[in-house]
Amino acid sequence: QKEVEQDPGPLSVPEGAIVSLNCTYSNSAFQYFMWYRQYSRKGPELLMYTYSSGNKEDGRFTAQVDKSSKYISLFIRDSQPSDSATYLCAMSGFNYQLIWGAGTKLIIKP
Amino acid sequence: GAGVSQTPSNKVTEKGKYVELRCDPISGHTALYWYRQSLGQGPEFLIYFQGTGAADDSGLPNDRFFAVRPEGSVSTLKIQRTERGDSAVYLCASSLVHDTEAFFGQGTRLTVV
Repeated sequence: QKEVEQDPGPLSVPEGAIVSLNCTYSNSAFQYFMWYRQYSRKGPELLMYTYSSGNKEDGRFTAQVDKSSKYISLFIRDSQPSDSATYLCAMSGFNYQLIWGAGTKLIIKP
Repeated sequence: GAGVSQTPSNKVTEKGKYVELRCDPISGHTALYWYRQSLGQGPEFLIYFQGTGAADDSGLPNDRFFAVRPEGSVSTLKIQRTERGDSAVYLCASSLVHDTEAFFGQGTRLTVV
């Protein structure tokens, strides 16, 4: 079993919909949780960064961490075609070494 | 520069050859990371530099892989006797200090034929 599990998709939704992306993990030592967006043939771009449990909001993006369930989520409101990309979760403990999910491919249909 | 720069963007090499991949981090960033990303997978950690020294090289798969950062800025990932299984996108990232807010380059796509 991988330390971080993420459904590869693809997830296809109509423009304007709310998107929910998720990861589960097994290592209770993880304290830092991130979401990256990766466009085709580009490097990952940091979207959201959360320490420990709780919610964090930034514009149309909301990140949630539930450490008791070892489950993290990224919500995208009012989704746009430009949001079409692969979304990767990543997490680490205090050694800051990132462990990544495989990424979920998101397609926003106009 | 404004972001992390990696060269070349693409590299095709024959099995058994030696390759060098270059990373130019964001100016002032002391931490530099190399990752490898295979198709449909998340990045896999290879090595992390703090300044000039390799602080953690536990992700290097074998002794054919080596990386340097002699002046604490530009880094080179070196792969000897390349194998077809080395084909992947090699990503470099940098951060101001060793923490999780790292910024990635666009990657070098290595193809071993």
